[in-house]
Amino acid sequence: NAGVTQTPKFRILKIGQSMTLQCAQDMNHNYMYWYRQDPGMGLKLIYYSVGAGITDKGEVPNGYNVSRSTTEDFPLRLELAAPSQTSVYFCASSPTGDRSPLHFGNGTRLTVT
Amino acid sequence: AQKITQTQPGMFVQEKEAVTLDCTYDTSDPSYGLFWYKQPSSGEMIFLIYQGSYDQQNATEGRYSLNFQKARKSANLVISASQLGDSAMYFCAIRKNAGNMLTFGGGTRLMVKP
Repeated sequence: NAGVTQTPKFRILKIGQSMTLQCAQDMNHNYMYWYRQDPGMGLKLIYYSVGAGITDKGEVPNGYNVSRSTTEDFPLRLELAAPSQTSVYFCASSPTGDRSPLHFGNGTRLTVT
Repeated sequence: AQKITQTQPGMFVQEKEAVTLDCTYDTSDPSYGLFWYKQPSSGEMIFLIYQGSYDQQNATEGRYSLNFQKARKSANLVISASQLGDSAMYFCAIRKNAGNMLTFGGGTRLMVKP
């Protein structure tokens, strides 16, 4: 029962570099989400997807891109990393059903210096 | 747009006592769901309890219960018989319906004293 798997767990980037945060789920969930959590704060939605081939912006999408080519995978791309993107990134998935909670991965801690 | 407010940045509770964590929300949708999550110091997000806006009864899950007051737009989490392992950040969140975004509050840090 892997659930939602995020890689890497930690990463340090230099300003201007790019990277992809990987997220995979093995629960056949239709819905997937990317959140970021700044120190001492709540989670803010970056992008979400309601199914393969469909993505939509959340509250804080600037500086990020996503794709959803399969049900299982939902990678998050950071282009031209900036210090403001230093954060913990959580991927989550959920099945259909209003009462269904989000299942979260363990997070990726990203530092941009 | 939906908004969640948690007004208690930090709280202390004595072990074995009950504690209430406040959550108020703002939404114009008639149908919505409220979620509570726990985030221990290790960082993972753990789902605790769900309340639907049309549910007739307040939700309960073990030592967790919701004091849901729809007219006041509040959904306070009650933890009974606090344990040291309850020390964590607690987040309230609201969602219009499945597939839509879950909007989180700023969280409350609970510290349980032995």
